Amino acid sequence: QKEVEQNSGPLSVPEGAIASLNCTYSDRGSQSFFWYRQYSGKSPELIMFIYSNGDKEDGRFTAQLNKASQYVSLLIRDSQPSDSATYLCAVSSNTGKLIFGQGTTLQVKP
Amino acid sequence: SAVISQKPSRDICQRGTSLTIQCQVDSQVTMMFWYRQQPGQSLTLIATANQGSEATYESGFVIDKFPISRPNLTFSTLTVSNMSPEDSSIYLCSASASLGYEQYFGPGTRLTVT
Repeated sequence: QKEVEQNSGPLSVPEGAIASLNCTYSDRGSQSFFWYRQYSGKSPELIMFIYSNGDKEDGRFTAQLNKASQYVSLLIRDSQPSDSATYLCAVSSNTGKLIFGQGTTLQVKP
Repeated sequence: SAVISQKPSRDICQRGTSLTIQCQVDSQVTMMFWYRQQPGQSLTLIATANQGSEATYESGFVIDKFPISRPNLTFSTLTVSNMSPEDSSIYLCSASASLGYEQYFGPGTRLTVT
């Protein structure tokens, strides 16, 4: 079982819709959870982080964490073509090291 | 958030040679890391760069192949030694203010070994 799992996609949504990206992790000791956006040929850009159960909102982005189910998700409201990218879920334990999922490719169609 | 720069941004090297990649952070950070990202793949952690002591390497990565230095709280280098075409990849450094805090990435170094 992979430590951090994501559906590789592509996930295709129409412009203006809500994109829902999901991630599961295996280490119950994980403490910090991150979502990175990576455009082709660029390095990962941190867009959301969450440490506690529940929802965290920042603009059009909402991160959701459920530690009991070992599940973290990212919702993107009012999706734009510029949101088309690969979204990487990363999980950190008490060592500070990040374990990345394989990434989900999001395509937002005009 | 930390601003991170890397040099060089890209290089083409011959088999058997070595390349040193530099990573500079605009503020003092506790944690610095080196990752590799091969085409179409996710990121794989190479090592944690420890200030004032030897780096901590992940399984499959060894110091002789990837020596790392971290002389202070804002700077680190990664050397890719005795390169082969299999080392062609993007190498990324990241930094975090403290354990478990957000990690920010540099722009990466695209290495091609011929």
